[in-house]
Amino acid sequence: DIQMTQSPSSLSASVGDRVTITCQASQDISNYLNWYQQKPGKAPKLLIYDASNLETGVPSRFSGSGSGTDFTFTISSLQPEDIATYYCQQYDNLPTFGPGTKVDIK
Amino acid sequence: QVQLQESGPGLVKPSQTLSLTCTVSGGSISSGSYYWSWIRQPAGKGLEWIGRIYTSGSTNYNPSLKSRVTISVDTSKNQFSLKLSSVTAADTAVYYCARASPAVAAFDYWGQGTLVTVSS
Repeated sequence: DIQMTQSPSSLSASVGDRVTITCQASQDISNYLNWYQQKPGKAPKLLIYDASNLETGVPSRFSGSGSGTDFTFTISSLQPEDIATYYCQQYDNLPTFGPGTKVDIK
Repeated sequence: QVQLQESGPGLVKPSQTLSLTCTVSGGSISSGSYYWSWIRQPAGKGLEWIGRIYTSGSTNYNPSLKSRVTISVDTSKNQFSLKLSSVTAADTAVYYCARASPAVAAFDYWGQGTLVTVSS
């Protein structure tokens, strides 16, 4: 199985701050990496696919990068509506999710 | 606009079989090269992929659950289903159905989720 790790597990930032989350795979997954946002009581929402491609309708303040084993997800200017938990997910093999990063407003 | 809706019992007794159905609307489950997955999330925890079925009927399962999981599809009803046998309290979770394209395996449409509690 391909294991995914994320860091940090949680963070607090101010509105307007740049927020960065990292995701690491236990083996090379090329760019087979997606990012999701999940708000409390809601299903996850796809934000980024293939490591760096923005899903249609997703604000441009969200971005992703990376390949191989190391990936980064960035919110360029944190907004109050971005409070959520963010998950990475690999699909090089059977899908697996990272443990999530909870983002709060400071 | 594709929509997915989970349905099934919210309470299952230990050792019994959990059965859920996902009804797809806004498009045919048979059209396009998609696969249809079940994903679960225990309260306060992360997401766990359970398994998937292609419109051809072929399936893949999470190795950790494979011995207990069966996913099937009924194209005439535009539905796919999950059966998880020999459940324990550890199977208590919100269960989601979701769609993904094989090209990027990104889950682009999700159901709202349904809570299944395993308890006597």
